[in-house]
Amino acid sequence: EAQVTQNPRYLITVTGKKLTVTCSQNMNHEYMSWYRQDPGLGLRQIYYSMNVEVTDKGDVPEGYKVSRKEKRNFPLILESPSPNQTSLYFCASGTPADTQYFGPGTRLTVL
Amino acid sequence: GDSVTQMEGPVTLSEEAFLTINCTYTATGYPSLFWYVQYPGEGLQLLLKATKADDKGSNKGFEATYRKETTSFHLEKGSVQVSDSAVYFCALSEPTNSGGSNYKLTFGKGTLLTVNP
Repeated sequence: EAQVTQNPRYLITVTGKKLTVTCSQNMNHEYMSWYRQDPGLGLRQIYYSMNVEVTDKGDVPEGYKVSRKEKRNFPLILESPSPNQTSLYFCASGTPADTQYFGPGTRLTVL
Repeated sequence: GDSVTQMEGPVTLSEEAFLTINCTYTATGYPSLFWYVQYPGEGLQLLLKATKADDKGSNKGFEATYRKETTSFHLEKGSVQVSDSAVYFCALSEPTNSGGSNYKLTFGKGTLLTVNP
């Protein structure tokens, strides 16, 4: 089954404790991206990757890092999380000019 | 930069009512346009798309027409059902360079639709 998986689905952590949210896709897509969804602000792109070892900033990259060492994986790293990073996070993969396939989401709470 | 503006919600309708959710965009070139739907507790999934002017995307009774002259991509459905209750996102995708090797995806803020029986 074609899918994008994210882990964990739910995470509660404390300020400053480094965390990684994993994302994996089995559709051989070159393009992958991360979004955060906040009430009243909709979906905002954090980072995207056009291919292995090629990443670029989206609209709200501050406080986040990504890496793309393999085509199927695109982890999101929060080196020192802060409460303003409490949000619902989505990973997606697809063809950039066409359909994006979204993961189920990761709800992160930073205390 | 690119932007997508869609009507503010929430929108509440009765079953079998006609639905319109307005979406307008700003882009420098000729973007592809999309409507995504997010059901409660789930990720977004593609509802329909259009890649060039005057194209009509359609799926599950929903339709939207790519109008270049008015830079719009309004979502319509003739008769909504309770199962259509969800958040709807308008989005565009456009290359950021002339070679088309880099793309930018931009989403609207989403419109919550509630359909009552």
